[in-house]
Amino acid sequence: ETGVTQSPTHLIKTRGQQVTLRCSSQSGHNTVSWYQQALGQGPQFIFQYYREEENGRGNFPPRFSGLQFPNYSSELNVNALELDDSALYLCASSLEWATDEQYFGPGTRLTVT
Amino acid sequence: KQEVTQIPAALSVPEGENLVLNCSFTDSAIYNLQWFRQDPGKGLTSLLLIQSSQREQTSGRLNASLDKSSGRSTLYIAASQPGDSATYLCAGHGGGADGLTFGKGTHLIIQP
Repeated sequence: ETGVTQSPTHLIKTRGQQVTLRCSSQSGHNTVSWYQQALGQGPQFIFQYYREEENGRGNFPPRFSGLQFPNYSSELNVNALELDDSALYLCASSLEWATDEQYFGPGTRLTVT
Repeated sequence: KQEVTQIPAALSVPEGENLVLNCSFTDSAIYNLQWFRQDPGKGLTSLLLIQSSQREQTSGRLNASLDKSSGRSTLYIAASQPGDSATYLCAGHGGGADGLTFGKGTHLIIQP
């Protein structure tokens, strides 16, 4: 069984640009969640998807959007990048419900200059 | 709104010691609590998940407890080893659609 994978590992973008981060959940996991972790902080919940529908969102603006696909992959899109968007972005998958044990990927380090 | 606090923020102990990491949460209506380990610049590794109906969970040298009434969870690490050095995060789930609420973590260093 493969774990959760994310790509790319690192990314550098300029303020105002758009970025797409990718995640591949564990096979059979129907819920995927995305988190933002600033340096020295705990991860902050962005949103979660269950069977391709967004069913929960944290305190993030609409320029953070996502998609979940039938093949257990998902995307996090961020438009109009700001300097404060620089962080480690983590995705997590769980078997069925968001309350099941969460398995995290290695993260994508995004730097906005 | 759930808030999670972890004390201490950093801890350094000699190898072989038993130690306790603390996690407190403000909303006792917690559905479950999960402990994670994070190595520098890496993702999170799940250590233990405790459901609200449980009092503790054990995995190898790790034991986690949950006391909903006092809003506290502890992670006990027995016979610590240098390889245990990492940041330990606790996170609570309220059972709704709000995801996990994390503490800031305890940065643990085990001195050889």
